[in-house]
Amino acid sequence: EVQLVESGGVVVQRGESLRLSCAASGFSFHDYAMHWVRQAPGKGLEWVSLISWDGGATFYADSVKGRFTISRDNSKNSLYLQMNTLRDEDTAFYYCAKDAKYSGHSDYFDYWGQGTLVTVSS
Amino acid sequence: EIVMTQSPATLSVSPGERATLSCRASQSVSSTLAWYQQKPGQAPRLLIYGASTRATGVPARFSGSGSGTEFTLTISSLQSEDFAVYYCQLYNHWPPPFGPGTKVEIK
Repeated sequence: EVQLVESGGVVVQRGESLRLSCAASGFSFHDYAMHWVRQAPGKGLEWVSLISWDGGATFYADSVKGRFTISRDNSKNSLYLQMNTLRDEDTAFYYCAKDAKYSGHSDYFDYWGQGTLVTVSS
Repeated sequence: EIVMTQSPATLSVSPGERATLSCRASQSVSSTLAWYQQKPGQAPRLLIYGASTRATGVPARFSGSGSGTEFTLTISSLQSEDFAVYYCQLYNHWPPPFGPGTKVEIK
């Protein structure tokens, strides 16, 4: 059974940094691209970032480019999101999501974690 | 950048009735469209990809169709567990945009 478990969401002050983690199990983690998708409370979904299966390619939404860094450790079946210079508008549930395509990326998501809440307080 | 819209924003349907949800792209796209279901307090769940292919384990009452700029998700006979928010998402376009969602509520 595929499982994605996010952690690291807390209340932080504007301008601070935070690192989110996602522990994956139940599939060959090193064979799939992974994404972060966020959802402000009561709002819609926003794609945030993608990392290729080997970590060699990363992509970001314009809203987080230059502030967030996605990474992965295939030896630990783990995905990360380093979030710097946090803004009020970064307040959201952050979901780790598995790309549906084997050894590539399709940019749609066949499994999602339960999400971790990041609250940026001023 | 392609923008996705969904209509209606809220759809009130009685159990057992048919629900038709619309998703529109701001320009003509290939059939790289997915639909997700999200229940309160839960993560989204993939229902449909490739505009019309049901994901693993998705009941046959869910069907997707469309091409170009107009896509539709149809729930043939609403069950109690189907009341949720539904999002469409375009993929193979950058960045991959989501629609704003349609809430399907009990009438």
